[in-house]
Amino acid sequence: DTAVSQTPKYLVTQMGNDKSIKCEQNLGHDTMYWYKQDSKKFLKIMFSYNNKELIINETVPNRFSPKSPDKAHLNLHINSLELGDSAVYFCASSRNMGGRTSTDTQYFGPGTRLTVL
Amino acid sequence: GDSVTQMEGPVTLSEEAFLTINCTYTATGYPSLFWYVQYPGEGLQLLLKATKADDKGSNKGFEATYRKETTSFHLEKGSVQVSDSAVYFCALSEYFGNEKLTFGTGTRLTIIP
Repeated sequence: DTAVSQTPKYLVTQMGNDKSIKCEQNLGHDTMYWYKQDSKKFLKIMFSYNNKELIINETVPNRFSPKSPDKAHLNLHINSLELGDSAVYFCASSRNMGGRTSTDTQYFGPGTRLTVL
Repeated sequence: GDSVTQMEGPVTLSEEAFLTINCTYTATGYPSLFWYVQYPGEGLQLLLKATKADDKGSNKGFEATYRKETTSFHLEKGSVQVSDSAVYFCALSEYFGNEKLTFGTGTRLTIIP
């Protein structure tokens, strides 16, 4: 039933480690996103993929590497974790309606709370 | 670039009070506007949206009207409940080949019985 799912829900790890967060959507959407929510609840987009192709990369450090094996999945791999990476990471998806004036609702996953010690 | 400015929180109201959370935006074109809600310990859920000027989005007793002349999308509810306690995010989306949601900073709302 879950439309956009993320695993794990919580991730606690040491500085310097490499970790991955997985995201899957069963809505048949073409576009997927990763957002970061910091400790003050501020939400900012990190990446967007459309049909497995990277579309948006918002000046995120190259320690963050999204990977889209197919259009239903967008995983986030983080190398050499730093304290400042601690945040809640949200995956989202939307239809690609095409056309310059079309926008569609983004559906969010439950979030992954990453804590770097 | 696009930006969204939301009223600073936290906001604390008594049950059955009238709620307004202000939201104004800056965009280069004709964005779609959204309110998302995040209940404690949960992810974001779409509350309502409006895609063009003068549209009114509504859901669960909440309403917001897309005002192009004042570039605003204020959220209102006539009588809040304790279950409305959450963080509310105003956001906009412009389609330039791909959609990107730009969020406001969020407003934490607490309703006391």
